[in-house]
Amino acid sequence: RKEVEQDPGPFNVPEGATVAFNCTYSNSASQSFFWYRQDCRKEPKLLMSVYSSGNEDGRFTAQLNRASQYISLLIRDSKLSDSATYLCVVNIGDTGRRALTFGSGTRLQVQP
Amino acid sequence: ETGVTQSPTHLIKTRGQQVTLRCSSQSGHNTVSWYQQALGQGPQFIFQYYREEENGRGNFPPRFSGLQFPNYSSELNVNALELDDSALYLCASSRTEGYGYTFGSGTRLTIV
Repeated sequence: RKEVEQDPGPFNVPEGATVAFNCTYSNSASQSFFWYRQDCRKEPKLLMSVYSSGNEDGRFTAQLNRASQYISLLIRDSKLSDSATYLCVVNIGDTGRRALTFGSGTRLQVQP
Repeated sequence: ETGVTQSPTHLIKTRGQQVTLRCSSQSGHNTVSWYQQALGQGPQFIFQYYREEENGRGNFPPRFSGLQFPNYSSELNVNALELDDSALYLCASSRTEGYGYTFGSGTRLTIV
């Protein structure tokens, strides 16, 4: 079983739509959580951190459910520029391996 | 503020050869980690360096090795290259372990 699992998509949505991505992680010791965005043939860039209380940044809302080991990202009013791959990322944070563990990514294509 | 820079951007090698990839971390960042991203997959953690010492390693064989220098720049060395080593190699730096990673634009390595 992969440590971080995501639906690979692609999600094809029209402009203005609301789209939700889900992610599950297997290690209950995971301490911090993120969504990264990766454009084609570019490096990943931090979209937002994810907090237990849920957090919002403009059109983007992230939720974390530690009991279910589940993370979500909601994008409202999709724009063409939102087309990218969205990577769910966790940091286990234990001594000796404070590294990021990435899911395989969910591809989003916003259509005009 | 200078970001993370990687060199070269592209490289073609043959099986059995050795390669060295380079990374200059962002100013003020003392932690560098390396990731391998195969096509269609999320980045996979190779190893991390903090103050010139390796302090975390993913599931990669010993032929993947690295160094961090006093100025916090880093090298990734891969010996006995295999076809499966073809991937995008990403370097990321952070001010503290586990948070605020900034990625370089990567080195695309092709093994023929």
